[in-house]
Amino acid sequence: GAVVSQHPSWVICKSGTSVKIECRSLDFQATTMFWYRQFPKQSLMLMATSNEGSKATYEQGVEKDKFLINHASLTLSTLTVTSAHPEDSSFYICSAREAGGLTDTQYFGPGTRLTVL
Amino acid sequence: QKEVEQNSGPLSVPEGAIASLNCTYSDRGSQSFFWYRQYSGKSPELIMFIYSNGDKEDGRFTAQLNKASQYVSLLIRDSQPSDSATYLCAANSGYSTLTFGKGTMLLVSP
Repeated sequence: GAVVSQHPSWVICKSGTSVKIECRSLDFQATTMFWYRQFPKQSLMLMATSNEGSKATYEQGVEKDKFLINHASLTLSTLTVTSAHPEDSSFYICSAREAGGLTDTQYFGPGTRLTVL
Repeated sequence: QKEVEQNSGPLSVPEGAIASLNCTYSDRGSQSFFWYRQYSGKSPELIMFIYSNGDKEDGRFTAQLNKASQYVSLLIRDSQPSDSATYLCAANSGYSTLTFGKGTMLLVSP
């Protein structure tokens, strides 16, 4: 159980275009989903926390107008990187916390590798 | 600033040995603690969590928690080359978020 999927697993795009990444909890409902970014050989960096039906909470330094997050249902959150630039190239990983869970356990998706040319 | 500290390593152990990974946390309010394993180029996968003082065993893995010392550890018995990865320690930090350490790289040599 507790499977989280992400789509696409990798994407290459041109500078200035927008890219949407989907995160789905497959066998549980997730009231809270998280979006992380990880550069090579660096640690996970939390970008934002999204709760179903409400606006996402962004970490300091993360541009909310550039990284649009929508958590429209208990099983789906999307991250849209708008007007992507080469410096946005990174490994984007989502995680989900099970609704009603007794702990704050987060289950991670497999990640999306974004390359902006 | 809530922090979780880990030695970056690498920690090198021979196959079959016990690997001991350590972590300290700064927020005394943290209630639950997690160990994740991350292979190079992959996303983290949950190994186990612990929220009571003492030991918790799951197969070859044992998590240990000492809240008085704000210390969490993970022991891996009979280490295998396939255990070579980066191990992330995390503590809950309110509002359902987790604070992650930077990870310890473990290398198990055949």
